[in-house]
Amino acid sequence: GQQVMQIPQYQHVQEGEDFTTYCNSSTTLSNIQWYKQRPGGHPVFLIQLVKSGEVKKQKRLTFQFGEAKKNSSLHITATQTTDVGTYFCAGRTQGGSEKLVFGKGTKLTVNP
Amino acid sequence: EAGVAQSPRYKIIEKRQSVAFWCNPISGHATLYWYQQILGQGPKLLIQFQNNGVVDDSQLPKDRFSAERLKGVDSTLKIQPAKLEDSAVYLCASSLDLRLYGYTFGSGTRLTVV
Repeated sequence: GQQVMQIPQYQHVQEGEDFTTYCNSSTTLSNIQWYKQRPGGHPVFLIQLVKSGEVKKQKRLTFQFGEAKKNSSLHITATQTTDVGTYFCAGRTQGGSEKLVFGKGTKLTVNP
Repeated sequence: EAGVAQSPRYKIIEKRQSVAFWCNPISGHATLYWYQQILGQGPKLLIQFQNNGVVDDSQLPKDRFSAERLKGVDSTLKIQPAKLEDSAVYLCASSLDLRLYGYTFGSGTRLTVV
């Protein structure tokens, strides 16, 4: 079945440093979504990427979708303590059912 | 708009007991999902409903888990009998159209089996 892998599993940064998490799928995706889960909370939808090579920005967050639509990345510039949480990518397969397969997530901690 | 409602928030049971979780999705969202999230892992799909029909239950341990969505609105997920490895957060999510929008998750039910 479809697998979605994320690295790194954990990332500790000093406030102000940049952060990147990478996501790779075993199959070509029709779209990829990113979610953020704060400690003790539930995943919250951040963004969806659909097109090959697509790049989207949300303030300090930059999301990319690979040309082959099998990988994606999330980059945070100048992290803040409010960025703490676990970031998940979730892929929807081409021609598949309307469901998402989640990666294991990257847990980000930010030291003030 | 109101979010996805789930109850209870927490549940502690002994192994071999039964438990049920309830979910009320966002009004108008035809698709409802139950995910299991074990500590430190990503959510894993258990079952997907489209209105009141099951679309995908391939990862649902059917010997102990069951779910229903009567009338295409509320849904209930049941575990009977529970095992220690069922300890997890059970998340309900709904979506208007996954081609265009993401999931909206409920706050989840944290189940501890002792």
